[in-house]
Amino acid sequence: GENVEQHPSTLSVQEGDSAVIKCTYSDSASNYFPWYKQELGKGPQLIIDIRSNMDKRQGQRVTVLLNKTVKHLSLQIAATQPGDSAVYFCAESGYSTLTFGKGTMLLVSP
Amino acid sequence: NAGVTQTPKFQVLKTGQSMTLQCAQDMNHNSMYWYRQDPGMGLRLIYYSASEGTTDKGEVPNGYNVSRLNKREFSLRLESAAPSQTSVYFCASSELAGGGYNEQFFGPGTRLTVL
Repeated sequence: GENVEQHPSTLSVQEGDSAVIKCTYSDSASNYFPWYKQELGKGPQLIIDIRSNMDKRQGQRVTVLLNKTVKHLSLQIAATQPGDSAVYFCAESGYSTLTFGKGTMLLVSP
Repeated sequence: NAGVTQTPKFQVLKTGQSMTLQCAQDMNHNSMYWYRQDPGMGLRLIYYSASEGTTDKGEVPNGYNVSRLNKREFSLRLESAAPSQTSVYFCASSELAGGGYNEQFFGPGTRLTVL
């Protein structure tokens, strides 16, 4: 079945620094890769996604990169703020459902 | 719009008891999903309903049953709860059938403890 590995499991940065989270996936048929942010006590919320016909997508302070050749994707959060502290999940989908990574807890210190 | 709502927010059960977790969405979405979240395990799919009238097993369906009551509502039932089912349960919905290319919207979760 599909497998998504995510690292690091925890990440601590200083406010203003960049944070990078990486994932690898196993299914070459995967064609959709969303990233979710989960704040404490809440459900996950989509922050950015990328389709397999793209290599890079940018949002507000977030950039996602996709390398289909080696099945890697990454999320970069620029100029981090304390409000970015949360758990972040990558996910992949090829057919009908999403498979999630195990999550990265990001802590941004003032 | 309320989005995806779940009831109850918290529940404590004894081993062997049964209960139903309720989920409703007001976005006119076709697809609905139930996940469980355990520490260090991410989100794992229990069951999903690609469209009204259909349900399918996900990664961890054992010990659970689901009912797609109508387009808005999707319930998850534990017939005989076990301590291994202690978890946080999330319901989600998406516009299109299937998981690809379309955002899943999550509810606030139900925290279930089985003693």
